[in-house]
Amino acid sequence: AQSVTQPDIHITVSEGASLELRCNYSYGATPYLFWYVQSPGQGLQLLLKYFSGDTLVQGIKGFEAEFKRSQSSFNLRKPSVHWSDAAEYFCAVGAQGGSEKLVFGKGTKLTVNP
Amino acid sequence: NAGVTQTPKFQVLKTGQSMTLQCAQDMNHEYMSWYRQDPGMGLRLIHYSVGAGITDQGEVPNGYNVSRSTTEDFPLRLLSAAPSQTSVYFCASTPNNPYEQYFGPGTRLTVT
Repeated sequence: AQSVTQPDIHITVSEGASLELRCNYSYGATPYLFWYVQSPGQGLQLLLKYFSGDTLVQGIKGFEAEFKRSQSSFNLRKPSVHWSDAAEYFCAVGAQGGSEKLVFGKGTKLTVNP
Repeated sequence: NAGVTQTPKFQVLKTGQSMTLQCAQDMNHEYMSWYRQDPGMGLRLIHYSVGAGITDQGEVPNGYNVSRSTTEDFPLRLLSAAPSQTSVYFCASTPNNPYEQYFGPGTRLTVT
């Protein structure tokens, strides 16, 4: 069965600093990969997705992620964090090669210090 | 388009009560799913549907029923609520495969 690991439960960065959130997945074939963001008390918003092709994916709000098959990773990055980026971030993989069922990581909560 | 809508936003139930969480989408999406979110657990799939009349179990289906009589609606029924079902429930839809899922705003359920 597929699984997603987000090793960092909580990350604190200063505003303006760079950010990298880690995501590792387990799936035998090429996975469908997603990053979602959730602000407190809100629903989930898609940041970016990877299905195939270019392994560096650009998303909304200045985020990008890189798919590395050899490392089974899909890490999320942002060069300069803004206070409004404080939220919880979830990595997800399409279960059994599809995207109608997602397997989520447990999330990484991001705190941004002024 | 309203997207994915969920009602109610909040609900408090007593143990043993039953209720239905409503989910509707107006995007003509074939696939719909229900997830529950618990602190430190991420989101876990309860049930999903790949079209009207077709449903299947996800990772945590026990205590929940679903049906899909129309493309638009995918209600989640709690047959006999238990405190372990206290959670935030999200409904999602997607038009086909592969594609991202669109999430509703969630229903926060407390079972006492």
